[in-house]
Amino acid sequence: AQRVTQPEKLLSVFKGAPVELKCNYSYSGSPELFWYVQYSRQRLQLLLRHISRESIKGFTADLNKGETSFHLKKPFAQEEDSAMYYCALPNNDMRFGAGTRLTVKP
Amino acid sequence: EAQVTQNPRYLITVTGKKLTVTCSQNMNHEYMSWYRQDPGLGLRQIYYSMNVEVTDKGDVPEGYKVSRKEKRNFPLILESPSPNQTSLYFCASSHYGSGTGRTGELFFGEGSRLTVL
Repeated sequence: AQRVTQPEKLLSVFKGAPVELKCNYSYSGSPELFWYVQYSRQRLQLLLRHISRESIKGFTADLNKGETSFHLKKPFAQEEDSAMYYCALPNNDMRFGAGTRLTVKP
Repeated sequence: EAQVTQNPRYLITVTGKKLTVTCSQNMNHEYMSWYRQDPGLGLRQIYYSMNVEVTDKGDVPEGYKVSRKEKRNFPLILESPSPNQTSLYFCASSHYGSGTGRTGELFFGEGSRLTVL
């Protein structure tokens, strides 16, 4: 069955430190993965998708089929990156991981 | 403006009193879905719909009903709410690639915070 796992519910880093939010998936076939973000008091929104291979707000994510992972990375975290992050796997529905709450401390 | 609109945004009700949370989108999306968000549990899918008159259960459908009579609307119905349905609910919509069998980018509503006493 398709599944997305985010092993860390909470992650805290200092401003300027690198950050990596982990996402692992199980899917039979060629997956298409997304990262969504929810800032405080805002609706969820798409951050990036792996097929576009783009960097959004300094974040990147690489699909590693060997490790079945799609980790989200940023080399230098900013306080405004503090938010809830969800990894998602679309199929005929959209499955989300449990989410990771990132806190960037000053 | 392209958007997903949910109503009500906040609601306090009592056990057993039927309620409906409406969801409407103006982007002509085929796919619509309801999620509930609970601390420590993330986003869990309640029901989804791939098109008009096509609905399917998500991970946590118990206690909920949906209907999709029109493309733009996807109401969530709680026939007999219970305290364990106290949660933050999100409606979302997306284009659905019937050829790929996949949803595209999801557009979310602002959320409806429901408290059942």
